[in-house]
Amino acid sequence: AQSVAQPEDQVNVAEGNPLTVKCTYSVSGNPYLFWYVQYPNRGLQFLLKYITGDNLVKGSYGFEAEFNKSQTSFHLKKPSALVSDSALYFCAVRGGDSSYKLIFGSGTRLLVRP
Amino acid sequence: DVKVTQSSRYLVKRTGEKVFLECVQDMDHENMFWYRQDPGLGLRLIYFSYDVKMKEKGDIPEGYSVSREKKERFSLILESASTNQTSMYLCASSSRAWNQPQHFGDGTRLSIL
Repeated sequence: AQSVAQPEDQVNVAEGNPLTVKCTYSVSGNPYLFWYVQYPNRGLQFLLKYITGDNLVKGSYGFEAEFNKSQTSFHLKKPSALVSDSALYFCAVRGGDSSYKLIFGSGTRLLVRP
Repeated sequence: DVKVTQSSRYLVKRTGEKVFLECVQDMDHENMFWYRQDPGLGLRLIYFSYDVKMKEKGDIPEGYSVSREKKERFSLILESASTNQTSMYLCASSSRAWNQPQHFGDGTRLSIL
């Protein structure tokens, strides 16, 4: 069965420091991986995706993510955190089994302190 | 930009009522989805539709039904609302291309009293 794990409920980081939000996945076939961000009382906004090609993908607002096939991970990163990055982050995967469905992780709350 | 619009941001209904949540997208997307979001559980798929009048059950369809009479509109129906259906409901749409993301509306926070 396909699944996504975000092992940290919350990540705390100081402004200006690098941040990492972790995601591991389990799918059949080649994975299609996505990161979304949710600000309070809003829907999910697409940040970036990995489909194929370079293992390091760049997305919106200075975020990037590293795909690691051997570790089945797709961690979200940013070199220098901003207070405005504080939000709820979701990792999602679509398996290579011709399904339209996305499987979402439980979410990680990022808190960037000034 | 893709625009997915949910008709209500906040809704309060009573137990036993029939509740309609509406969603409209303006990008001619074939696929549309309804999720509910609960703390600690992430997003769970209720139903999705891959074409007009076509639908498939998601992971938690019990107590819900859907309607897609036009390509741009996807409705979620709570046949007889119960308190355990109090939640945030999110609508999304996407094209049929595998490499494209889903685009979300701002959600409807539904309270069943």
